[in-house]
Amino acid sequence: QSALTQPPSASGSPGQSVTISCTGTSSDVGTYNYVSWYQHHPGKAPKLMIYEVIKRPSGVPDRFSGSKSGNTASLTVSGLQAEDEADYFCSSYATSDKVLFGGGTKLTVL
Amino acid sequence: QVQLVESGGGVVQPGRSLRLSCAASGFTFSSFAMHWVRQAPGKGMEWVALIWSDGSKKYSADSVKGRFTISRDNSKNTLYMQMNNLRAEDTAVYYCARDINPDIPLYYVDYWGQGTLVTVAS
Repeated sequence: QSALTQPPSASGSPGQSVTISCTGTSSDVGTYNYVSWYQHHPGKAPKLMIYEVIKRPSGVPDRFSGSKSGNTASLTVSGLQAEDEADYFCSSYATSDKVLFGGGTKLTVL
Repeated sequence: QVQLVESGGGVVQPGRSLRLSCAASGFTFSSFAMHWVRQAPGKGMEWVALIWSDGSKKYSADSVKGRFTISRDNSKNTLYMQMNNLRAEDTAVYYCARDINPDIPLYYVDYWGQGTLVTVAS
């Protein structure tokens, strides 16, 4: 199984919204609602931002939201702040007890 | 607080073996499935393996099947990854991570370690 597809980069100005996509197939994103999103500052442990497509762990600002349509999941960051600049990657359960990750998207706050 | 601390990384020649460890604290280790995930230089994350909380079930990526073995010692709160017949393409930072759900894994993680670097080179 191939990795999930994400755009390599995304950007926005402070206060704007940006959406990052994560495209899979009917064997993963399209069938299962076990899609999650992580924020990763290099050199640090990744942080869970969204799980089960739309749920936010406690402590994650509601500026972060998730959605899914067909084989594509999306992470939207509203009201961009400087500290949101990081790498973001998605993951999904895939058929036959596997986990797939996206290639990661570098979010730049202009 | 949940802490996961990996160790055992280093430089190893192709074809040799290495064992990674992950010391867990701050939660009931024996209640959670655990994962190994890696990230090669300049690449995205790649899931490597999963072990259920009691060690009864194990799953791994096709890229490491037959070479890597995940295991755990719940009495020591420690996760392991035995890596045999290492290849250059196994060079990566290896992270241990906790599945979000107690007992029955949901195949995504809520806590990660900081990672340990494995470099396979002659």
